[in-house]
Amino acid sequence: DTGVSQDPRHKITKRGQNVTFRCDPISEHNRLYWYRQTLGQGPEFLTYFQNEAQLEKSRLLSDRFSAERPKGSFSTLEIQRTEQGDSAMYLCASRSAGGPGTQYFGPGTRLLVL
Amino acid sequence: DQQVKQNSPSLSVQEGRISILNCDYTNSMFDYFLWYKKYPAEGPTFLISISSIKDKNEDGRFTVFLNKSAKHLSLHIVPSQPGDSAVYFCAAWGSEGNKLVFGAGTILRVKS
Repeated sequence: DTGVSQDPRHKITKRGQNVTFRCDPISEHNRLYWYRQTLGQGPEFLTYFQNEAQLEKSRLLSDRFSAERPKGSFSTLEIQRTEQGDSAMYLCASRSAGGPGTQYFGPGTRLLVL
Repeated sequence: DQQVKQNSPSLSVQEGRISILNCDYTNSMFDYFLWYKKYPAEGPTFLISISSIKDKNEDGRFTVFLNKSAKHLSLHIVPSQPGDSAVYFCAAWGSEGNKLVFGAGTILRVKS
């Protein structure tokens, strides 16, 4: 495994349904991030884990969103009662410990809410 | 509140010439900057970074320049190749947070 992986790559759902995305970071990375990207914008920070602890959440992360990293390895991002405004690319990134450092991104999950 | 701005939505360059992508930031707490390249339907790929203690970092065809007093950085690609055509994002990291703050991106088209 040489990179961050995300599953699924694409998800189409109907408004009001729940969806869950998975991210597997680079194995030795203890820091994991979720971002959301909409058309014409750069990625926007959603939340951050150090090992299994969720240390920071953006105000973009409404109460319909929840993220977990139960064993400090893979992470899941769940969106409950999806809305059309949730349609976006959801990106996961990871990096190793220590000061400022490069975050390595996965391929993303493209969500379309009909 | 856009703390990282890429004011040029797109740039078109002839193959073999220099591409210069610009980025401005407003938060003086930012102390580490990165450039990412993104192809459609893929995640961003790291290109090059620079710490605020430096004013230049070079890696092959890619050079990043940082002007702290102007809160401005630029990415130079020399020579540009058609495979460089992608969206380029500037990102900043500050000690007050654990996240990257991204600009909106610049679409680079390199014509052969």
